[in-house]
Amino acid sequence: DVKVTQSSRYLVKRTGEKVFLECVQDMDHENMFWYRQDPGLGLRLIYFSYDVKMKEKGDIPEGYSVSREKKERFSLILESASTNQTSMYLCASGRTEYNEQFFGPGTRLTVL
Amino acid sequence: AQSVTQLGSHVSVSEGALVLLRCNYSSSVPPYLFWYVQYPNQGLQLLLKYTSAATLVKGINGFEAEFKKSETSFHLTKPSAHMSDAAEYFCAVSKSDSNYQLIWGAGTKLIIKP
Repeated sequence: DVKVTQSSRYLVKRTGEKVFLECVQDMDHENMFWYRQDPGLGLRLIYFSYDVKMKEKGDIPEGYSVSREKKERFSLILESASTNQTSMYLCASGRTEYNEQFFGPGTRLTVL
Repeated sequence: AQSVTQLGSHVSVSEGALVLLRCNYSSSVPPYLFWYVQYPNQGLQLLLKYTSAATLVKGINGFEAEFKKSETSFHLTKPSAHMSDAAEYFCAVSKSDSNYQLIWGAGTKLIIKP
């Protein structure tokens, strides 16, 4: 089975802190994604990566950056956390075939 | 622009009744289509996918979906609802100009009445 793990299930940070969310997949997938999920807004793509060191902006990249130094790991960085970044963050990985994606359990981030 | 429309943000059915969750999509090329399920405070789990083989697709937990090209639909059904089916369901379509991305529906919360 594909396994996608995220470093924390719940995280509480203060405004202005730098926040790292880590995601690791064990199936040698080329593609990795970061989404945020908010009530009534569905899933919104923040960034994705189709290869090591390659990244592309999604629909809402402002306030976020990403890093992919190794194929299995994709990190989401909030340079200076703000309260409007309080959300559920979901990581996914997948192959190019069919655009299929496999999700991690999510990180619920609260910024105070 | 491509889109996915899920009719009804909330659908309520009685235990044992038919479940029908509707999904309509727009795509300029033959799409790949997906249904995912999300239980509270969890990630999304793939229920089933259509990848241009059989138009009737069977998934996990007794769910199935039928691809109807003429109606641009991919509705999800289950003959008999169970309390454990209560969750949020998302329909997604492959983005036509991308080898990676999906276009997501807004989700439908399925409520099961005892």
